[in-house]
Amino acid sequence: KAGVTQTPRYLIKTRGQQVTLSCSPISGHRSVSWYQQTPGQGLQFLFEYFSETQRNKGNFPGRFSGRQFSNSRSEMNVSTLELGDSALYLCASSSQGNYGYTFGSGTRLTVV
Amino acid sequence: KNEVEQSPQNLTAQEGEFITINCSYSVGISALHWLQQHPGGGIVSLFMLSSGKKKHGRLIATINIQEKHSSLHITASHPRDSAVYICAVRRVDGSQGNLIFGKGTKLSVKP
Repeated sequence: KAGVTQTPRYLIKTRGQQVTLSCSPISGHRSVSWYQQTPGQGLQFLFEYFSETQRNKGNFPGRFSGRQFSNSRSEMNVSTLELGDSALYLCASSSQGNYGYTFGSGTRLTVV
Repeated sequence: KNEVEQSPQNLTAQEGEFITINCSYSVGISALHWLQQHPGGGIVSLFMLSSGKKKHGRLIATINIQEKHSSLHITASHPRDSAVYICAVRRVDGSQGNLIFGKGTKLSVKP
């Protein structure tokens, strides 16, 4: 079966712009979670969605938001981009959110 | 202090060597994950543990809940095992997000 698909793979944006990243989970998986990875902070949890509801949120400013659609696909949005938002953004899906995760290949965002 | 600590941070081994990576955590957990990340960023989930031991091919993962410690072992290491190995825990109360990550162990296996 197809894996977790993240689009786009690479993105360059200017400070102050906004960006939307997409994640399509494995078919049948209803939980999607998002993570930010930077060299300094490592991997950090952003948020988790299950059946279109945000179930959990990490310690990130309100500029970071997300949503999940009825087909379980998820998007995350970052508004008013800052240089420090440059990172690899990963999403992962699971069937229940409490079990094993399958990760996507990530979207590498560069803010200039 | 980080809630999830890994050691060592960097590890260089010769092909064929037995490798151990350690993970200690300070919170109550419902599960512990071992992840592998190759250059380029993709992450593969290797194991999810809540007790005991799991084996998959040359990889073995163990967890001691009482001591809040887990180990990942690689037997007969191979250059293709070169990657960053990341330990992640899910807090038992689900608070502060779903997974808390260690900083990773960068493994390099030389032929």
